[in-house]
Amino acid sequence: DTAVSQTPKYLVTQMGNDKSIKCEQNLGHDTMYWYKQDSKKFLKIMFSYNNKELIINETVPNRFSPKSPDKAHLNLHINSLELGDSAVYFCASSQESDSNEQYFGPGTRLTVT
Amino acid sequence: SQQGEEDPQALSIQEGENATMNCSYKTSINNLQWYRQNSGRGLVHLILIRSNEREKHSGRLRVTLDTSKKSSSLLITASRAADTASYFCAANSNSGYALNFGKGTSLLVTP
Repeated sequence: DTAVSQTPKYLVTQMGNDKSIKCEQNLGHDTMYWYKQDSKKFLKIMFSYNNKELIINETVPNRFSPKSPDKAHLNLHINSLELGDSAVYFCASSQESDSNEQYFGPGTRLTVT
Repeated sequence: SQQGEEDPQALSIQEGENATMNCSYKTSINNLQWYRQNSGRGLVHLILIRSNEREKHSGRLRVTLDTSKKSSSLLITASRAADTASYFCAANSNSGYALNFGKGTSLLVTP
C-alpha cells in the first residue's frame, strides 16, 4: 500500500543513453512533482504538474521531459544523459490545498558513467 | 531560487539532549514545513506551521515561526539515536506548487 512509488530504485547507465524513471501515487492527489537531489543533499524542483498546468523550472535542460499518462502517474524521461545528471531523483505528490503537504517516493539513484 | 536555508549544516549531540535547527526563507509564505530524510530514503513530512501561527508542537517536536524575521526553528527534545537523519525546512508560497527546500541540517545523535 505504498503511497508514492518509483521505479527503478537504482539506475546505472552510460553517457548519451536515454532513460526513464516511473512514478505512481495511489493517494488521489492532484499534483505531482519531480525533484533532483545532488550529492550535497540540495533538493531542487524540476517540474510540477497537475491536470491543468505543467510548470517547468527554467534551469532544467530540455533533455528532461515529464510525461503523465494519467493523474496517478508522472514519468521522467531523460535524453542524452550526461555525467552531471547523476543524482537522486524524487517524485512527490500533493493534494491541492492550503497546506500543500507533499508525499515523497523513495527516490531513484541515477549514476551516469 | 532557493528559499530555505538551514543552520547549522551539521549537528552532533548525545541521546537525551535537545537539538535545535534554524531555517530562514526569503519571500512571503502560506506555511512552512519541516521534513526528515533518513539516509537513502525519501523525505517524510514532520510538521507544518501556518503563517499566522507562532508556535506548534507535535510530540517531541516544537516549531516556531517568526514571519517578521522570515525564520523558523525546529526543536527536537530528548533526542534518540533514531532521530539521526537530515532535516529540511520547506517554504510553501502557493498550493499546488513546488516547495522551496533548504539545504538541510544533518543531525547525528549518538547513544
